[in-house]
Amino acid sequence: EIVLTQSPTTMAASPGEKVTITCRASSSVSYMYWYQQKSGASPKPWIYETSKLASGVPDRFSGSGSGTSYSFTISSMETEDAATYYCHQWSSTPPTFGAGTKLELK
Amino acid sequence: EVQLVESGGGLVQPGRSLKLSCVASGFTFSNYGMNWIRQAPGKGLEWVAYISSGSSYIYYAETVKGRFTISRDNAKNTLYLQMTSLRSEDTALYYCASFNNYVFAYWGQGTLVTVSS
Repeated sequence: EIVLTQSPTTMAASPGEKVTITCRASSSVSYMYWYQQKSGASPKPWIYETSKLASGVPDRFSGSGSGTSYSFTISSMETEDAATYYCHQWSSTPPTFGAGTKLELK
Repeated sequence: EVQLVESGGGLVQPGRSLKLSCVASGFTFSNYGMNWIRQAPGKGLEWVAYISSGSSYIYYAETVKGRFTISRDNAKNTLYLQMTSLRSEDTALYYCASFNNYVFAYWGQGTLVTVSS
């Protein structure tokens, strides 16, 4: 099973601040996927195939990486971005998720 | 509008069984693989099971293999999860999620399963 290690576990950012979350895989994966989950709501696809934005996702979000190291970036934090973000892989079965990064507004 | 509506959750004693359902609408259910994904209270996401569009391919997480059975009825646009020998660690919000090009594209609102005596 591929283990995904996200960091940080929690963080706070001020409006306008740049945010970066990393996700490291225990083995190489072809792509990384990212999901956003707000409190009390179901997760939503956010970034797919490492760097492609899901429908409706603002372009201040971006993703990059390859192999075992991936990152998720918000170029300029906005209030609505406060949420928990999960990385996910299904390059090998079973599919796995990272433990999540809780992003709060400072 | 795509909708996935889960039901069947509740309070159940350890060792007992429960069957979850997920009714889909707003898309051609029979064309898509489907998954169950769960989230323990205050915890992260854990994939549970996958079934392909025609039920030819089925996969389970090791934590539920041999105890849970995923199935679907494409005529009824419904996904199922039969859960047996339930344990306290199975306590979670269970989501069904559609699967397209390796993306869990649509999620239901979840149904809560609590395993406790």
